[in-house]
Amino acid sequence: GDSVTQMEGPVTLSEEAFLTINCTYTATGYPSLFWYVQYPGEGLQLLLKATKADDKGSNKGFEATYRKETTSFHLEKGSVQVSDSAVYFCALSENNNNDMRFGAGTRLTVKP
Amino acid sequence: KAGVTQTPRYLIKTRGQQVTLSCSPISGHRSVSWYQQTPGQGLQFLFEYFSETQRNKGNFPGRFSGRQFSNSRSEMNVSTLELGDSALYLCASSSAANSPLHFGNGTRLTVT
Repeated sequence: GDSVTQMEGPVTLSEEAFLTINCTYTATGYPSLFWYVQYPGEGLQLLLKATKADDKGSNKGFEATYRKETTSFHLEKGSVQVSDSAVYFCALSENNNNDMRFGAGTRLTVKP
Repeated sequence: KAGVTQTPRYLIKTRGQQVTLSCSPISGHRSVSWYQQTPGQGLQFLFEYFSETQRNKGNFPGRFSGRQFSNSRSEMNVSTLELGDSALYLCASSSAANSPLHFGNGTRLTVT
């Protein structure tokens, strides 16, 4: 079945460092891809999305490009801030339903 | 626009009891999905309701059930609680299939 594999954490970076969190997926069709972020004590918030190959999602300085040839949707940010410390989840959905499949999550800690 | 509201935020129950969790979706959203989040298993899809009908179901035992009312509010019930049911239960609403999910802050259930 459909699944998402993302980079194991935790990831610890210094402020203003470059961030990459890898995400690859397995799907039978053409899924929509998402990155969600979870801050302590809260639910998940949508960070960005892409619905077809070569689409680039972006928000708050984060970017991810839907690469069908490598079945990947890696999350990047050029300069992280302390406030970016959170858990990041890669996810996919297809088959016209809301059975969204999530990766295991990657905990990011940014130190001043 | 108010976000997804889940009540209660915290619950402590003993083994064998049953519990009901409530979720009010974003106004206008007709799809409500439920997820279980645990450190070991991550985010797992429980079920999705759309217009009072269960549209999708994950791989959970029959002790887990749900329903949706005509105003789109949803409840989730877990009967005969087990220690392994301790988790954060997240509700999410969306406006359409394959659209981003909007999550509540969750109900943390502890079974002792």
